[in-house]
Amino acid sequence: DIQMTQSPSSLSASVGDRVTITCRASQGITDYLAWFQQKPGKAPKSLIYAASSLQSGVPSKFSGSGSGTHFTLTISSLQPEDFATYYCQQYNSYPFTFGGGTKVEIK
Amino acid sequence: QVELVQSGAEVKKPGASVKVSCKASGYTFTSYYMHWVRQAPGQGLEWMGIINPSGVGTTYAQNFQGRVTMTRDTSTSTFYMELSSLSFEDTAVYFCARAMVASTSWSHGGYWGQGTLLTVSS
Repeated sequence: DIQMTQSPSSLSASVGDRVTITCRASQGITDYLAWFQQKPGKAPKSLIYAASSLQSGVPSKFSGSGSGTHFTLTISSLQPEDFATYYCQQYNSYPFTFGGGTKVEIK
Repeated sequence: QVELVQSGAEVKKPGASVKVSCKASGYTFTSYYMHWVRQAPGQGLEWMGIINPSGVGTTYAQNFQGRVTMTRDTSTSTFYMELSSLSFEDTAVYFCARAMVASTSWSHGGYWGQGTLLTVSS
């Protein structure tokens, strides 16, 4: 199985901060990488697919980059509604594994 | 608009089985694969498997092989996930998530159901 490692596991940031979350795959997955946002008690919401493509309706403050084994999700200017847990997922090979999550909290 | 509506919360005893449904609407049912994902309390997301809406071909994560069965009913546009031999560790919220891209399993889940809470308790 491909292991997905996210870092950090949690972070504290202020409104307006630029935030970057990293996801590393244990083997190459080309660009078969998605990012999700999840708020407590809610289903995950797709933000980014194919490593860097923005899901329709998602604000452009979210961006993704990377290929192969190293990927990043960046939030350009953190807003109150962005405080949540973020997950990466590879869909290059079965099983489609998720990273452990990054909880973004208010400083 | 795409909508996935899941069945309600369940309470089961250890050793029992549960069948969760996911009713789809707003798109061509037979064109998009469906993922199943679960999340234990306070934990991360775990991918369980994926089903071809044509009914030919399902892929299950090794962790669930032999215990999970994913099916679909085209007449009601509903997907099902059945999990057997339940243990306390199966207590979780179970989600269905529709693939974003048509006619391929190599696609992330772009649309998600609201989740179904399964509690396994004696």
